[in-house]
Amino acid sequence: TQLLEQSPQFLSIQEGENLTVYCNSSSVFSSLQWYRQEPGEGPVLLVTVVTGGEVKKLKRLTFQFGDARKDSSLHITAAQPGDTGLYLCAGASDFGNEKLTFGTGTRLTIIP
Amino acid sequence: DAMVIQNPRYQVTQFGKPVTLSCSQTLNHNVMYWYQQKSSQAPKLLFHYYDKDFNNEADTPDNFQSRRPNTSFCFLDIRSPGLGDAAMYLCATSGQGADTEAFFGQGTRLTVV
Repeated sequence: TQLLEQSPQFLSIQEGENLTVYCNSSSVFSSLQWYRQEPGEGPVLLVTVVTGGEVKKLKRLTFQFGDARKDSSLHITAAQPGDTGLYLCAGASDFGNEKLTFGTGTRLTIIP
Repeated sequence: DAMVIQNPRYQVTQFGKPVTLSCSQTLNHNVMYWYQQKSSQAPKLLFHYYDKDFNNEADTPDNFQSRRPNTSFCFLDIRSPGLGDAAMYLCATSGQGADTEAFFGQGTRLTVV
């Protein structure tokens, strides 16, 4: 079983602060995706990282894939209330059986 | 236009009464997933299809079954819903290859009374 542990599970910070969310596993993934989910809606993809060590930026969000492709991080600079939501990492495997497994989730609240 | 459509958005069923949730897609994706998501938790994979190949997660209860009659449609059947099965059920699709995006429906919120 491929397990993805996210930390922290809950995070509440003031607007303007920086934060980092971690996604760790003992399994190797062919790619890792980050999603954001609003209440009552399905998750929406933010980014996909494929290459070990890869760094991708999406405005104030920076995503990094670990060198060994077992972990990833999401860093948000100058957090805004609109960043509030459930952040999910998801590991994809394509070893003959396509499968997307979600991490445990990080619920982020940005206080105005 | 919605690409992954789940029906209904809200479903109320009686304890023990079989219920079917449906999902359709217009993306022609090979892979379709069913996830169960309980309040404040991450989605939990129940099973997924790679084309017609069905892959059941080891810890998915036998009470949950699925059918995929064609590429576009996938169904989740709960044979005897219990109170613990109340949750949001999410359907998703993705193309072939591990670096493709998964597209989610809006989910069906199941209530068991």
